[in-house]
Amino acid sequence: NAGVMQNPRHLVRRRGQEARLRCSPMKGHSHVYWYRQLPEEGLKFMVYLQKENIIDESGMPKERFSAEFPKEGPSILRIQQVVRGDSAAYFCASSPVTGAVTFLSGNTIYFGEGSWLTVV
Amino acid sequence: GQQLNQSPQSMFIQEGEDVSMNCTSSSIFNTWLWYKQEPGEGPVLLIALYKAGELTSNGRLTAQFGITRKDSFLNISASIPSDVGIYFCAGRVKGGSQGNLIFGKGTKLSVKP
Repeated sequence: NAGVMQNPRHLVRRRGQEARLRCSPMKGHSHVYWYRQLPEEGLKFMVYLQKENIIDESGMPKERFSAEFPKEGPSILRIQQVVRGDSAAYFCASSPVTGAVTFLSGNTIYFGEGSWLTVV
Repeated sequence: GQQLNQSPQSMFIQEGEDVSMNCTSSSIFNTWLWYKQEPGEGPVLLIALYKAGELTSNGRLTAQFGITRKDSFLNISASIPSDVGIYFCAGRVKGGSQGNLIFGKGTKLSVKP
């Protein structure tokens, strides 16, 4: 886990407010992923980003959720108008650049320690 | 969507015993990863497998990528109390995007000293 930094670790929001979760990938990693984990469940993929690009957002809810990974600064997962069902642990992960040579080792994904969102 | 069947759901064992858990899928996977998660923490990568038939060890942990590419197992030998946690398998479906890992629901391991 060392190196993938997430903040805040814990966030409490009232229904209808906005939640912003930040993720700084490991040094040298340019690929960022966001996952959500509900209690007693495995992680569910949400979105995959490279700098300034969304590569795969097939796991993102269609409304209220958005993600970005700007040229400078951390990746942000934004949840607008939160509802109780958004309460979960949100994990960010990162991996190095992938390519023909580094395909095998570059496929390894390292997770941060998570941000726990509670909607009250 | 894609699902991984991970079993058993939970295990209660005595310190020193060996442990075995596995994951199966109806789809072909080209990557299998095994993670351990402790309460309040993120998953920590234990073993990564990239080729069918591959058998890889990491200390007391051994994992294999099934030759059908639809299953994987993780063994822990001579368990110790610090092995306690939830173990997740995760896989990447052939043709899936790099970051889109499918996770099992986890095997919760309890070790009695």
